[in-house]
Amino acid sequence: NAGVTQTPKFQVLKTGQSMTLQCAQDMNHNSMYWYRQDPGMGLRLIYYSASEGTTDKGEVPNGYNVSRLNKREFSLRLESAAPSQTSVYFCASTPLQGFQETQYFGPGTRLLVL
Amino acid sequence: DAKTTQPNSMESNEEEPVHLPCNHSTISGTDYIHWYRQLPSQGPEYVIHGLTSNVNNRMASLAIAEDRKSSTLILHRATLRDAAVYYCILTSRNRDDKIIFGKGTRLHILP
Repeated sequence: NAGVTQTPKFQVLKTGQSMTLQCAQDMNHNSMYWYRQDPGMGLRLIYYSASEGTTDKGEVPNGYNVSRLNKREFSLRLESAAPSQTSVYFCASTPLQGFQETQYFGPGTRLLVL
Repeated sequence: DAKTTQPNSMESNEEEPVHLPCNHSTISGTDYIHWYRQLPSQGPEYVIHGLTSNVNNRMASLAIAEDRKSSTLILHRATLRDAAVYYCILTSRNRDDKIIFGKGTRLHILP
């Protein structure tokens, strides 16, 4: 099993450009999450999907949209990138719904917005 | 704000035990204590979790104070590969409660 995979690994954008970060898991998990991590900081929750077909806002949702394409895939879209969105983005999944579940993280996408 | 308090950094010698403390004085009766660690340039990985009793697994041990207001992650024999940021997190059974990652403790292992 690959676990949680994320693409791309690195990306450089200009201000105003759009892009979609992809996340997939092969563990048949129900819930998926997107976090961002700024330098020297902990992770902050952007959006999550408790189950296929549902999405909810986390702590810092502004400037992002998400799509739970199917049970395996959860994408994060930046419609008009801003320098403040320069960060490392992590996707995670849990077997069942609920933050008390153990989270399995992907390797991250490093995004630089110029 | 994070519900837990951890030291910013700690150092330990290789092959020595390491005790990483965490304070969570506002913990509720149904909150679990989770520990994750993040190796350099990687995503966080699960280490251990517990509710009331001490827990052991192949990676570490978790010692929980009797009043549950603090806990300690114990690495029994640190290796250089254990150098990472360790996060202590409270998780609630309430499905609407989000988890909050603080800044964690950066553990340095000295050879």
